[in-house]
Amino acid sequence: DAGVTQSPTHLIKTRGQQVTLRCSPKSGHDTVSWYQQALGQGPQFIFQYYEEEERQRGNFPDRFSGHQFPNYSSELNVNALLLGDSALYLCASSLKGTGNTEAFFGQGTRLTVV
Amino acid sequence: GDSVTQMEGPVTLSEEAFLTINCTYTATGYPSLFWYVQYPGEGLQLLLKATKADDKGSNKGFEATYRKETTSFHLEKGSVQVSDSAVYFCALSDQGDTDKLIFGTGTRLQVFP
Repeated sequence: DAGVTQSPTHLIKTRGQQVTLRCSPKSGHDTVSWYQQALGQGPQFIFQYYEEEERQRGNFPDRFSGHQFPNYSSELNVNALLLGDSALYLCASSLKGTGNTEAFFGQGTRLTVV
Repeated sequence: GDSVTQMEGPVTLSEEAFLTINCTYTATGYPSLFWYVQYPGEGLQLLLKATKADDKGSNKGFEATYRKETTSFHLEKGSVQVSDSAVYFCALSDQGDTDKLIFGTGTRLQVFP
C-alpha cells in the first residue's frame, strides 16, 4: 500500500502564476482533505472533497479551488499566487462514514512563491 | 469556534528524560483528540488518538488521556530518545460532516544524547 502520494514534492512559482497540486489517496479511501501549513505553524484546513464535490471549506479565498476525480484522486489549484501562499500543502485521505477515524497524510508539496 | 492551544517550544531534553507537552482545547461538542508527529521534511503521522472522555491513547511509549473536565490532552513519555526529536501537533476532529482537523501550532522537541 503506497499510502497517500502527492506530487510534485517541491515547486517554485512566480507571483501571479497559477499552480496545480495533485494527491492520490490511500487505497480504499474515498475522501480527500487539503491543508496549508505555513512555516512554523500548524496545518490549516482548506477544503474537503467527497463524491467529487466540495463538502466544506475553510477560511481561504476563491483563488483556492479543487477537484476530485472518479478514482478519488484530487487536485488543488491556486490562482494568482501571492508570496503568502508559500507553504507546505498537505493532502489527507480518509474513509467517509467511519466516524472519528484517522486521516492519513501525504508527504506534502512545498510551494515557494517568488 | 473550536481551537487547540499547545505549549510553545522548543522543548529540549536529554535522552531518557520524562516528556510532557501540554495541550488544551475549546470545542462546542465532543471532539476526538489526536497527536500527530512531523519529522523533518516529512508529512504528518498519527501518533495516538482518543475518541471520548477518559480514553487513553498510546503508541510507541507515548500516552495522552482525554480529560473533559480540564479540556486537556497532554502528551507524555517516560523516557525520550534522540529519535523522538520532531514537531508534535495536537489536534481535534471537528464534529461536523467533514470531520476536519483543527491543529495547534505545534511543539518542537529536541532530544540530546
